Amino acid sequence: QVQLQQWGAGLLKPSETLSLTCGVSGASFSGYYWTWIRQSPGMGLEWIGDINHSGRTNYNPSLKSRVSISIDTSKNQFSLKLYSVTAADTAVYYCASRDYDFWRPMDVWGKGTTVTVSS
Amino acid sequence: QSVLTQPPSVSGAPGQRVTISCTGSSSNIGAGYVVHWYQQLPGTAPKLLIYGNSNRPSGVPDRFSGSKSGTSASLAIIGLQAEDEADYYCQSYDSTLTSYVFGIGTKVTVL
Repeated sequence: QVQLQQWGAGLLKPSETLSLTCGVSGASFSGYYWTWIRQSPGMGLEWIGDINHSGRTNYNPSLKSRVSISIDTSKNQFSLKLYSVTAADTAVYYCASRDYDFWRPMDVWGKGTTVTVSS
Repeated sequence: QSVLTQPPSVSGAPGQRVTISCTGSSSNIGAGYVVHWYQQLPGTAPKLLIYGNSNRPSGVPDRFSGSKSGTSASLAIIGLQAEDEADYYCQSYDSTLTSYVFGIGTKVTVL
């Protein structure tokens, strides 16, 4: 059973870079898409993007210009960077896993990291 | 504003049946993309409740059921229990947005 543990800075100033990492245990990296989702009071749940074991990424077009998702299979972890953050990026950020098939759900979620952007 | 529309809240007495609708369009649910449902208890991460329109993951009670028709999907809770008080979200894929999309969520209150 996949388990996800996430970590990263929780307080940022406007224009800084959000950086979060999600550690994976209990599963091989291949066979899944590794996903980032955020949740804010104003926007609800928002899919940010995902990455597979070979580094192929998919991004939400609304965030694509500011987002980078990477993977380190040697460390069993994947990471999110969101550049030039503003107050609108304040949210709880979740990592999640999705089986490789496109139609599959996000079936395992991390506990979430609260990120606040404030000057 | 989400492309998947859910009622903000529904309520029912213990033992009753409640349903939550998720209305989309021809670029998401109506295009044939499957719908998944998630349950979020206060202060926790969302948990998968229904996948592929109507399938329950192992461990999910059979009082939860999902269906899909046309551009809409529904989640039914039959025999409402106090522990079902939570937020429920539908999720699908939108071909116009080229993005996975979520409903805004429905708060279920057990009276």
